[in-house]
Amino acid sequence: AQKVTQAQTEISVVEKEDVTLDCVYETRDTTYYLFWYKQPPSGELVFLIRRNSFDEQNEISGRYSWNFQKSTSSFNFTITASQVVDSAVYFCALSEAKAAGNKLTFGGGTRVLVKP
Amino acid sequence: NAGVTQTPKFRVLKTGQSMTLLCAQDMNHEYMYWYRQDPGMGLRLIHYSVGEGTTAKGEVPDGYNVSRLKKQNFLLGLESAAPSQTSVYFCASSYAVLQSRNQPQHFGDGTRLSIL
Repeated sequence: AQKVTQAQTEISVVEKEDVTLDCVYETRDTTYYLFWYKQPPSGELVFLIRRNSFDEQNEISGRYSWNFQKSTSSFNFTITASQVVDSAVYFCALSEAKAAGNKLTFGGGTRVLVKP
Repeated sequence: NAGVTQTPKFRVLKTGQSMTLLCAQDMNHEYMYWYRQDPGMGLRLIHYSVGEGTTAKGEVPDGYNVSRLKKQNFLLGLESAAPSQTSVYFCASSYAVLQSRNQPQHFGDGTRLSIL
């Protein structure tokens, strides 16, 4: 069965510090998709990125970057030069290609608090 | 664009009462989902649908029923509400085939449900 673990429940940083969120996943499928979502205090879920299992390139988008390591089953997320607006709960999620319905399995989330 | 719309946004029920949560999407997505979010547990899949007239159980289906009579709507029903069903409920939708590299599940803004 698929599983996603976000071991860090809460991280507190001061503005402009970098913060890295860990995500470790388990799957028996050889083709799968990994996602990161952001949930700000207002409660909605904001899609950040999707990565395919066959694409191990790291990605950078502005202050956000993602490190996909298939060898360690990890898909970590780094916020560079954090800002107060980055305060949110961040979820990592996994979808197996062979599973019906593109179902997502979520990790428990990491709450990031950026202090001014 | 409306995207995924959930109705209602908030509701308080007494134990034993019944209610229906409505989800509507205007993106012509084939797949739709209902998740619940509880503190520290991320989002867990209740039921999902891969097309009009079809539904399937997710990870935590007990105590809930669903129906998808129209492609754009997905209803979640609680026949006899219990305090353990106090949660935030999210509806989501997606295309059947995730062709685009960054094609995610699109989420509604959530329904906060309290059972007294």
